[in-house]
Amino acid sequence: DVKVTQSSRYLVKRTGEKVFLECVQDMDHENMFWYRQDPGLGLRLIYFSYDVKMKEKGDIPEGYSVSREKKERFSLILESASTNQTSMYLCASSLRTWKGSFFGQGTRLTVV
Amino acid sequence: DQQVKQNSPSLSVQEGRISILNCDYTNSMFDYFLWYKKYPAEGPTFLISISSIKDKNEDGRFTVFLNKSAKHLSLHIVPSQPGDSAVYFCAASDGSSNTGKLIFGQGTTLQVKP
Repeated sequence: DVKVTQSSRYLVKRTGEKVFLECVQDMDHENMFWYRQDPGLGLRLIYFSYDVKMKEKGDIPEGYSVSREKKERFSLILESASTNQTSMYLCASSLRTWKGSFFGQGTRLTVV
Repeated sequence: DQQVKQNSPSLSVQEGRISILNCDYTNSMFDYFLWYKKYPAEGPTFLISISSIKDKNEDGRFTVFLNKSAKHLSLHIVPSQPGDSAVYFCAASDGSSNTGKLIFGQGTTLQVKP
């Protein structure tokens, strides 16, 4: 079974803090993604990476950055957390041979 | 500009009946469509998919129909079970891109009543 693991299920951070969300996949997938899910808005792509050290902006990259130093790990960084970044964050990975993605369990981030 | 739309935020059906979830898209370059199911506090799980060269794909109780001319797809669940209660997301993949990016709809919350 494909396993995509996010480091935390729940996080509470203060406004202005730097926040790291970690994601690890164990199936040697080339592509990795970070989405956020908000009610009524579905899943929106923040950043994705199709190879080590490669990254591309998604639809809502403002306020975020990413790091992919190893193939299996993709980190999302909130440079200075704000209350409007309170959300469910979902990491996903995929192979180039299939257009679907496998998701992690999600991290519910609350910024106070 | 929402390229994938699920216009019904919620749907309620009786156990044993058919559930029909709808999805519309605008981009004719989409060549692969997927449905994901999501329970609260969990990540989405893949349910069923369809390539744009087909008009129907079936997997057990789940069937996805694609009408390319109308840019519309639907997910049928027959018979519906209480365990099907979840949020369902429609997603599309752009055939002109090889990045694996998916564009998601807003989601439809399905409630199946016993």
